[in-house]
Amino acid sequence: QVQLQESGPGLVKPSQTLSLTCTVSGDSISSGIYYWSWVRQPAGKGLEWIGRIHTTGSTNYNPSLKSRVTISVDSSKNQFSLKLSSVTATDTAVYFCARESVYSGADFWGQGTLVSVAS
Amino acid sequence: SFVLTQPPSVSVAPGQTASITCGGDNIGDKAVHWYQKKPGQAPVLVIFYDSDRPSGIPKRFSGSKSGNTATLTLSRVEAGDEADYYCQVWDGTGDHYFVFGTGTKVTIL
Repeated sequence: QVQLQESGPGLVKPSQTLSLTCTVSGDSISSGIYYWSWVRQPAGKGLEWIGRIHTTGSTNYNPSLKSRVTISVDSSKNQFSLKLSSVTATDTAVYFCARESVYSGADFWGQGTLVSVAS
Repeated sequence: SFVLTQPPSVSVAPGQTASITCGGDNIGDKAVHWYQKKPGQAPVLVIFYDSDRPSGIPKRFSGSKSGNTATLTLSRVEAGDEADYYCQVWDGTGDHYFVFGTGTKVTIL
């Protein structure tokens, strides 16, 4: 069974960089079959797709966040990571990582991790 | 930017049928996925590629598409179906990214 687990600080100060890592088990990022993505949900709001990465390093980002987002992959550790710079309170959300493809959607998800932006 | 519009809420009595629509430009040319989202839980993929069901998803969940509108249908709804539902589409024409719909809260009466 494929499992994903987010990890990282639960509190980030305004203007700093949010950093999260997703560790994958039960599948190999290196297989190249899927993309690996990040999605977030602020409290009381809808889901927002942040971006994704392929084992080749190819990335796609949400245009609304593109200037602040970097997603990277470490295939040797079967992990991928999210960095979101210059955060503000509006970046406070539950962040999910997921396995996805264009035609089959996101079929496996991490449990999500709450990141709060506050001083 | 690409926008997917869903009704904010749908109410349905147990045992009845709920239909959730998702509208967007040229959605007929795109694969539509649907997710169920309950508070405190990760989203669950309930329909992919317009009408396919992942393993483990009850046949009560079905998807269809006509023109620029996709529809998720929940038949014989149960109390456990109460959740938010989101459609999702890949916008491959411009910036190349996934877009989620605005979300629909399904309430079981």
